[in-house]
Amino acid sequence: DAKTTQPTSMDCAEGRAANLPCNHSTISGNEYVYWYRQIHSQGPQYIIHGLKNNETNEMASLIITEDRKSSTLILPHATLRDTAVYYCIVRPMNTNAGKSTFGDGTTLTVKP
Amino acid sequence: NAGVTQTPKFRILKIGQSMTLQCTQDMNHNYMYWYRQDPGMGLKLIYYSVGAGITDKGEVPNGYNVSRSTTEDFPLRLELAAPSQTSVYFCASSYSMRPGYEQYFGPGTRLTVT
Repeated sequence: DAKTTQPTSMDCAEGRAANLPCNHSTISGNEYVYWYRQIHSQGPQYIIHGLKNNETNEMASLIITEDRKSSTLILPHATLRDTAVYYCIVRPMNTNAGKSTFGDGTTLTVKP
Repeated sequence: NAGVTQTPKFRILKIGQSMTLQCTQDMNHNYMYWYRQDPGMGLKLIYYSVGAGITDKGEVPNGYNVSRSTTEDFPLRLELAAPSQTSVYFCASSYSMRPGYEQYFGPGTRLTVT
């Protein structure tokens, strides 16, 4: 799997958009970008995934650059409950999900 | 659905003791996984299974064993516990490895070996 680079930590004001970047410059053509988050002491939770088009669901939006070397997860209106560690993962389409490498992630702190 | 359940939630072991961490899922998922997460770090895959009777090693399998006799259960066995195995253990499952079929995680077991 391609390696990812994320900032160690970020702050965001409550109600504002949180933009979490991820660099995956060695991504290959058949690798998807996934985002998970882990709220303190809980198991990770799936957020969103994409290949090359931007994606949106009820939790977040995923913006992938045209060259696919980086992506941004957007939480449009961050709340205090969005404080968590956010993991960006890249994984080939036909690879067992369990073989994904969860790096150290970005600790997002949403402040009132 | 209860999803993925893990027992116990907490456990303290003495060095050299053994124990089994239980994991059960009620979603009829074929794929199940065990991870460990050390403080401030990401998750590392210990073992995984693609179906009943089939298991394979992950990134950090040493000191652990698994079995998968049913679709629902995937216990993790620690033999001769060591302080280096102090960690939080997460079990997860997924229906498929195709995109869109994502992993569901249990609440974790916090293990301390002293």
